[in-house]
Parts: sequence; C-alpha cells; structure tokens
Amino acid sequence: EPEVTQTPSHQVTQMGQEVILRCVPISNHLYFYWYRQILGQKVEFLVSFYNNEISEKSEIFDDQFSVERPDGSNFTLKIRSTKLEDSAMYFCASSGDGRYGYTFGSGTRLTVV
Amino acid sequence: AQSVTQPDIHITVSEGASLELRCNYSYGATPYLFWYVQSPGQGLQLLLKYFSGDTLVQGIKGFEAEFKRSQSSFNLRKPSVHWSDAAEYFCAVAQNSGGGADGLTFGKGTHLIIQP
Repeated sequence: EPEVTQTPSHQVTQMGQEVILRCVPISNHLYFYWYRQILGQKVEFLVSFYNNEISEKSEIFDDQFSVERPDGSNFTLKIRSTKLEDSAMYFCASSGDGRYGYTFGSGTRLTVV
Repeated sequence: AQSVTQPDIHITVSEGASLELRCNYSYGATPYLFWYVQSPGQGLQLLLKYFSGDTLVQGIKGFEAEFKRSQSSFNLRKPSVHWSDAAEYFCAVAQNSGGGADGLTFGKGTHLIIQP
C-alpha cells in the first residue's frame, strides 16, 4: 500500500536554528498538508498545499514557517528560527481528494533545546 | 468554525468486550467525518470515513461508526476488542466545501486501554 514517508524520524535542534522537515507524499496525490501534535495535545492543522501554492493555513502557520515542493516529489516544511514551543510531532499528509481521506506519514519528532 | 469534541479522555475496556467511542462535531453544513487511530510512536491510520449515503459505515479492523445528524455525533464502535486495539483514537471533521485543500479539525483524542 502506498505510504507517505517522512524524514528524519527525530530531529533535535537548538533554539534559533532553522530546520527543514521532509516528506515524500504518495505519487499521484494532489493535495499536501502539514499538521503538528504537541505532546499530549490534539493534532492541529498547519497548512495545505495544492498546485504549487498554499491553499489554506492556520493561525499557527506564521511567518517563521514556509512550505515548498522543490522537485515534484518532496514536500518540505521549513521553520526559520525555532522556538522551544515548536517542539512537537510534525505530520505530513497527502490526499488525492481531501474528501476521501488523507494518508498520514509516521511523523517527525522535533525537539528544540 | 467547525469543532470536534471527544468527551472521554480515557476508556478502559476488557478484552472481548464491546466498545463505543464518542464523537460530537459542530459544523453548519454536511461534514466529512473521519476516525483515525494512532499507536504509540506511530502515525495516524485512517479507520473509516463518512461523507454521504448510508449513515452506518464500516472500516478496517472490525470498526464501524454511525453518523447521526440529529445528535451531531459520529460514534465509533467495535463489537469485541482485542488487546492490539489499545491506542489513541481521533475523530476529525473536514469542511464539505467541495475541495481538498481544507484541513482536518481533530478532537483531542480518546486513549483506549484494554484489560486482559
């Protein structure tokens, strides 16, 4: 069964550093998403991406965040200057059509120290 | 804005017993509804989804859910749980906007514990 692949599985970074989280969505999917889950809390929507541009974004997705699909297969989330409160599990997801279900990756656990 | 409420933070069920996890949503139009399961250290796996038609939907691993518009509910059920069902369960809603760009709104999750 097709999978969404995320790398790395765990990343530790120092506060103020830039991080890039990588995702390979399912190849024929058209919609791509990033979500985050702070430890012990619910999964929160960050951003959706379609046709090479951001479609929707939440209040969480401020100017320190950016997304990119650099080469037609990868989908990245960049956090420019990490803060302690950015520590969370970040999930990438993709969908052929969002109404029919989203396939999530296994997540990248980001720890900011 | 839509919201999802899962009123039970933890539920403990004996192996072999039946299970019902509650989910209530708030959304003006017809929602798309989902149940996901998350095992420790794992990603989110889709159990089942509802967007139209028969209000009783069947999913993987023997789970089913029933959409009740009058109660704004989408409760997840399983007739007989197995120890491997121990996990975190999330209910989620998407807007019926006709497009795929809308994000999902998740509930806070219900932690299912299975007693031997």
